[in-house]
Amino acid sequence: QKEVEQNSGPLSVPEGAIASLNCTYSDRGSQSFFWYRQYSGKSPELIMFIYSNGDKEDGRFTAQLNKASQYVSLLIRDSQPSDSATYLCAVKMGGTSYGKLTFGQGTILTVHP
Amino acid sequence: GAVVSQHPSRVICKSGTSVKIECRSLDFQATTMFWYRQFPKQSLMLMATSNEGSKATYEQGVEKDKFLINHASLTLSTLTVTSAHPEDSSFYICSAKKPRQGGEKLFFGSGTQLSVL
Repeated sequence: QKEVEQNSGPLSVPEGAIASLNCTYSDRGSQSFFWYRQYSGKSPELIMFIYSNGDKEDGRFTAQLNKASQYVSLLIRDSQPSDSATYLCAVKMGGTSYGKLTFGQGTILTVHP
Repeated sequence: GAVVSQHPSRVICKSGTSVKIECRSLDFQATTMFWYRQFPKQSLMLMATSNEGSKATYEQGVEKDKFLINHASLTLSTLTVTSAHPEDSSFYICSAKKPRQGGEKLFFGSGTQLSVL
């Protein structure tokens, strides 16, 4: 079982729709959760982070965390073609050193006009 | 603007040569930097944690003699791929945490695409 698992996709949504990206993790002691966006050939850029159960909203993005079920999701409202990228879920596992993250394999999102 | 600079962005080398990749933190000091490797269509895999003034900590399965890490100053970490072979061809990315940023947000360099012929 992978430590951090994502559906690799591709996930295709029409422009203006809501894109829903999901991530599950194996370590119940995980403390911090991150969503990164990566364009092809580029390095990841942080979109959102969440530490507590519930929802966290930032503009068109909402991160949702459910520690009991060990999943974290990212919703993108009013999806735009420029949102087309690979989205990486990253988790700081319990007991790991400061800043050490475990990444999922990423979900490819395509937003078509 | 970018807070972590990585150089070079792309390098092509012959098998058996060594390649050095630099990672610099801009306008902040980073006592710890991280080096990742990413193969096509795969996720980032942590290779090692670079600690200023001390030895790097390598992840399981990563050869420390092949991937030399030097963190000689608070703003610079280097990764040297020694005696590179085609299977070392990958996208190498460094990251650092900016002080006084909440939580454990990491800032990534722009990455280095290494192609070994």
